[in-house]
Amino acid sequence: KAGVTQTPRYLIKTRGQQVTLSCSPISGHRSVSWYQQTPGQGLQFLFEYFSETQRNKGNFPGRFSGRQFSNSRSEMNVSTLELGDSALYLCASSLDRTFDYGYTFGSGTRLTVV
Amino acid sequence: AQSVSQHNHHVILSEAASLELGCNYSYGGTVNLFWYVQYPGQHLQLLLKYFSGDPLVKGIKGFEAEFIKSKFSFNLRKPSVQWSDTAEYFCAVSGNNNDMRFGAGTRLTVKP
Repeated sequence: KAGVTQTPRYLIKTRGQQVTLSCSPISGHRSVSWYQQTPGQGLQFLFEYFSETQRNKGNFPGRFSGRQFSNSRSEMNVSTLELGDSALYLCASSLDRTFDYGYTFGSGTRLTVV
Repeated sequence: AQSVSQHNHHVILSEAASLELGCNYSYGGTVNLFWYVQYPGQHLQLLLKYFSGDPLVKGIKGFEAEFIKSKFSFNLRKPSVQWSDTAEYFCAVSGNNNDMRFGAGTRLTVKP
């Protein structure tokens, strides 16, 4: 079965612009989570969606937002980009709402802000 | 707040050496514990997980981890590492609050 698909793989944006990243979870997975990965910081939790509802949110500013569609696909948006937003953004999907089976991760979108 | 600490930022070992990577978490309720691995250029993969029962869990590629509730620890071990184990390892915790928190990661370099 297809894995978690993230598009695009790479993005270069300038400060002040906005960006939208997309994630298609594994078929049947209803939970989608987003993480920001940077060297030395590990994975920082952004938010988690289940059945189109945001259930939890990490400690990121309001410039970071997301949504989930009825087919479980998810998008995250970052507005007014800053240099510090340069990172690998990972999407992970889970079969159920309790993460008993862990996550399946996508390959990520590498965002570079210049 | 839920948090995960990984003690070692970078570990360098020779092949056949034994490995132990530390992980401590802070969370008041029932937790599920995970170790993920990220090989160079690849995406994160689940190595092993603990939900309940036997506190010693075995994962893929000869890895195991022991949950010690009294110490809030979930250390990863492997008796004899190989060059192909060179990767970054992440400990993660999930509880009842609908998210999974990760440690900062430990980079393992195995010298041939």
